[in-house]
Parts: sequence; C-alpha cells; structure tokens
Amino acid sequence: TQLLEQSPQFLSIQEGENLTVYCNSSSVFSSLQWYRQEPGEGPVLLVTVVTGGEVKKLKRLTFQFGDARKDSSLHITAAQPGDTGLYLCAGYVSNTGKLIFGQGTTLQVKP
Amino acid sequence: NAGVTQTPKFRVLKTGQSMTLLCAQDMNHEYMYWYRQDPGMGLRLIHYSVGEGTTAKGEVPDGYNVSRLKKQNFLLGLESAAPSQTSVYFCASRSSPVAGVNTGELFFGEGSRLTVL
Repeated sequence: TQLLEQSPQFLSIQEGENLTVYCNSSSVFSSLQWYRQEPGEGPVLLVTVVTGGEVKKLKRLTFQFGDARKDSSLHITAAQPGDTGLYLCAGYVSNTGKLIFGQGTTLQVKP
Repeated sequence: NAGVTQTPKFRVLKTGQSMTLLCAQDMNHEYMYWYRQDPGMGLRLIHYSVGEGTTAKGEVPDGYNVSRLKKQNFLLGLESAAPSQTSVYFCASRSSPVAGVNTGELFFGEGSRLTVL
C-alpha cells in the first residue's frame, strides 16, 4: 500500500516568514503533484513534478522532487495571508491510474 | 464552463438508507475518481475509472459501489449508509496519460457533504 506522509499537519506563521512542507513515502511514484484547497471548494493543481531531482518555481513557491522519486517538498518564501489554505501532495502510483493524496498541511498566514 | 458537477451538494441520511451521488463532467475526460475527505486525513480514494464501462477499487472501497455507464458520468452508491460514511465526497476527472505516463491534472467538483445519522 502506497502512503504519502505530509509534515507538518498544521502551520501558523506571520506574514513575511518562510516555510517548508514535506511529503514523504517509502514508495516510488511516477510523478508527484501539489494541490491547494480553499474551504468549500475542490483542490486545484499547483504543480506536477516528474523527474527525480526536478525543481520547479511558481512565483514565491518552490517545489522539489526527490532524486529517488519518493519524496517532495514545497517551500514558500515571504508568505502572505493569501497563501492561507490546505496544501496537499499527491502521487501517481506507477502502472495504474491511481492518484494517492497525503493528509494535507493546513497553513495559516497571519497579517 | 461547467467542468465537474456533483449532485446533490448536501444530503442527510439515516443509518441503513441508500443513496447515489452523481458526478458529471463535460471535458471528455477518460479518467474519473471518487474521493472522500475527512478532517486530518486528506483525500482518500474510494473508486476510480479509466474509461467507460470500467471501474477499479481505491484505498477505501468497502461500503461503496460505482458505475460508469456513460463516459461523462460516474455514480457513487451507498447501499446501506453507516455513520462512518459521514464525510465530504469529491469527484474528479482527468484526461488519459500521454505516452503512458500519468501526470495529468485532476479537475475536482465542489464536493458533496453527506451526513449519516
């Protein structure tokens, strides 16, 4: 059974601080995605990483896929209140159509 | 643009009752998914489908059945609802893999909140 462990589960920081969210597994995934979810809505894709060691940047967000394709991280620089939300990592199980999600990280950025 | 539409959005059931959640997508996607979301547990995959007429089990399939008779619709059924099935249910769809590699974005509905008393 493939599992994705996210840490931390909750994060409350002040505006302007940096933070990193981790997504770890003992299994290899063919690709890994990060989604963000607002209350009362479905998750929305932020990024997909495919190649081991890949780094992608989306404005103040930096995503990294581990060399062995078992883990990923999301780093936010100078967090803003608009970054508040639930961040979910998700991995595609190889040779299936399954997309498995981590437990999520609830981020609160205080002004 | 409608995207992924779930009905109903809210439902209250008594233990033992049955119901069906309907998911409809207008993006001509091959793959469709049903997840449930509970506090602190992210999204857990119930069942998914890689094409019309096909279904497969996810992580937590017990107590649920699904059908994909039409490409655009994916139905989730609860034959005998239990309080443990109180949750928010999300449907999602995506296009087929490119060159056999799964990287596609999932497009989600707004969720269906189910309470079983």
